[in-house]
Amino acid sequence: GGIITQTPKFLIGQEGQKLTLKCQQNFNHDTMYWYRQDSGKGLRLIYYSITENDLQKGDLSEGYDASREKKSSFSLTVTSAQKNEMAVFLCASSIAGTDNERLFFGHGTKLSVL
Amino acid sequence: GDSVTQTEGLVTLTEGLPVMLNCTYQTIYSNPFLFWYVQHLNESPRLLLKSFTDNKRTEHQGFHATLHKSSSSFHLQKSSAQLSDSALYYCALSLSSNMGYKLTFGTGTSLLVDP
Repeated sequence: GGIITQTPKFLIGQEGQKLTLKCQQNFNHDTMYWYRQDSGKGLRLIYYSITENDLQKGDLSEGYDASREKKSSFSLTVTSAQKNEMAVFLCASSIAGTDNERLFFGHGTKLSVL
Repeated sequence: GDSVTQTEGLVTLTEGLPVMLNCTYQTIYSNPFLFWYVQHLNESPRLLLKSFTDNKRTEHQGFHATLHKSSSSFHLQKSSAQLSDSALYYCALSLSSNMGYKLTFGTGTSLLVDP
């Protein structure tokens, strides 16, 4: 079996600050994802990457950057944290190129902005 | 565009009663894949069941769902709720393309089962 590790688990930032969230997977999966989870809004896709150095925008990419420098890692940057923002960011991975596949999720990074 | 609708934000019921969580979808893709993911408190979402075959019932861990393309629905059901079923349930739609695979989720339904 494999695991997805997200760091940090909790992230407290200041308004306007640039914040980076990291994700590592040892499944050897091709595709990795960043989702934002907000109560009542479900899971919204921010960025995904189908292979190393590839980036695809999701529905919520504005205000975020992402980087996939290695197959096993995918980082997300909040370019300017918004005051009183609170959300959970979930990283996931899957095998590319097959339909009917499943996502494996990490445990999330909980962001609070003061 | 493509979307998934879960009309109930919160479903509360008594242990032993049947469960039905609604899910409908919209897509231009003629062969969608539908999924239910479950997220228990302080855990990450995990796949509960999935389907791509029209009118075929799929089952896992006591839950079942049938994809009906005619009504664009994929409702989740269970005959008898258990306390341990209390969780957040997401319906999701697969959108495969040559740009890669991605999943679009609904807003989620919280299921709370009381003793």
